[in-house]
Amino acid sequence: GAVVSQHPSWVICKSGTSVKIECRSLDFQATTMFWYRQFPKQSLMLMATSNEGSKATYEQGVEKDKFLINHASLTLSTLTVTSAHPEDSSFYICSATGRNQPQHFGDGTRLSIL
Amino acid sequence: GNSVTQMEGPVTLSEEAFLTINCTYTATGYPSLFWYVQYPGEGLQLLLKATKADDKGSNKGFEATYRKETTSFHLEKGSVQVSDSAVYFCALSDRAAGNKLTFGGGTRVLVKP
Repeated sequence: GAVVSQHPSWVICKSGTSVKIECRSLDFQATTMFWYRQFPKQSLMLMATSNEGSKATYEQGVEKDKFLINHASLTLSTLTVTSAHPEDSSFYICSATGRNQPQHFGDGTRLSIL
Repeated sequence: GNSVTQMEGPVTLSEEAFLTINCTYTATGYPSLFWYVQYPGEGLQLLLKATKADDKGSNKGFEATYRKETTSFHLEKGSVQVSDSAVYFCALSDRAAGNKLTFGGGTRVLVKP
């Protein structure tokens, strides 16, 4: 079946650094990718929607300059957390959808900022 | 706007017990309905879906029927196993909302041997 690969699965870094998370669709063309944030024992919060070749659409309250999203190809989207601080620590999950495909989710990235 | 409400957990069961997780929704259009499962430390996996009223989604012994009259999509399994321990999310997508998924709050299920 369809697979979405997310990398890295776990990252720890110092406050002030930038972190890039990759989301790849491995066997279908992902015309749309979504980025979610999940706090412990809570549901997923949609951060942004990215369509291949166009700018991402951010949900209300999400800082687009803090969370940079690039969707340059039909198989890859990246989320860069710029100048990360401890409050950015969270579990980030991407999903991808394409023609006749439901949303398929990556395994998530656990980000810890020290 | 769209919303999904599901029963709060945790739900603790013994192996081979019957599982029901209630889910109701509010939508302005004609949504598709989904159940996703999340195992510890992982992303979400699609468990089953239904795209129109009276459709029944089923997978791995789990079933859910799209009930438009009661705006519900309850998840059931007749005999749970320890490996079914996970968090279950009910969700809807609506073409009018750009096919974005709206999630319920999740229900943690713990199956004891």
